[in-house]
Amino acid sequence: SQTIHQWPATLVQPVGSPLSLECTVEGTSNPNLYWYRQAAGRGLQLLFYSVGIGQISSEVPQNLSASRPQDRQFILSSKKLLLSDSGFYLCAWRTDRYTEAFFGQGTRLTVV
Amino acid sequence: AQSVSQHNHHVILSEAASLELGCNYSYGGTVNLFWYVQYPGQHLQLLLKYFSGDPLVKGIKGFEAEFIKSKFSFNLRKPSVQWSDTAEYFCAVNTYNTDKLIFGTGTRLQVFP
Repeated sequence: SQTIHQWPATLVQPVGSPLSLECTVEGTSNPNLYWYRQAAGRGLQLLFYSVGIGQISSEVPQNLSASRPQDRQFILSSKKLLLSDSGFYLCAWRTDRYTEAFFGQGTRLTVV
Repeated sequence: AQSVSQHNHHVILSEAASLELGCNYSYGGTVNLFWYVQYPGQHLQLLLKYFSGDPLVKGIKGFEAEFIKSKFSFNLRKPSVQWSDTAEYFCAVNTYNTDKLIFGTGTRLQVFP
């Protein structure tokens, strides 16, 4: 069966520090991968998505970037965190555009 | 640009009341539509989905949704809610020709016994 792993679960980082959140999927090949940020009252904001290795679509220009170095690995990064980057980040995967998305447990990021 | 609107931000109901949550999207072409639910402390999970065919879609736990193309809507309904339906509900859309999955802002449902 397929599983999605996302870590860390919580993270507290100072302003200006770098960020790396990792997401991996097991039990499937060539999944579509997604990074979302969830905020109360704002739903899930799509940040990046990828349909293959090295293919990244950016939805919201901001202080974050994403990479997909391997088929089932999706990384969310920042060179210098801002206070406004605080939030709950969710990784998701699905087989294709016709299937449901499955979500990781999320990372609660607090920038101090 | 593609977007999804959920106008009901917070809904409070008593058990056995009927539920209808609104979802509207902005895109003129073919779409795939989803409703997800997030129970307190849990992952998002799929309630139902629509790709084509019968515009009335039945999902899990007694939920259904109706796709009305002329109104760009995909409203979620349940005839009689239970306390266990207390959760946040999200509508999501992707256009037929992309893999981008866009979510609405969510509706928080509270059901009181």
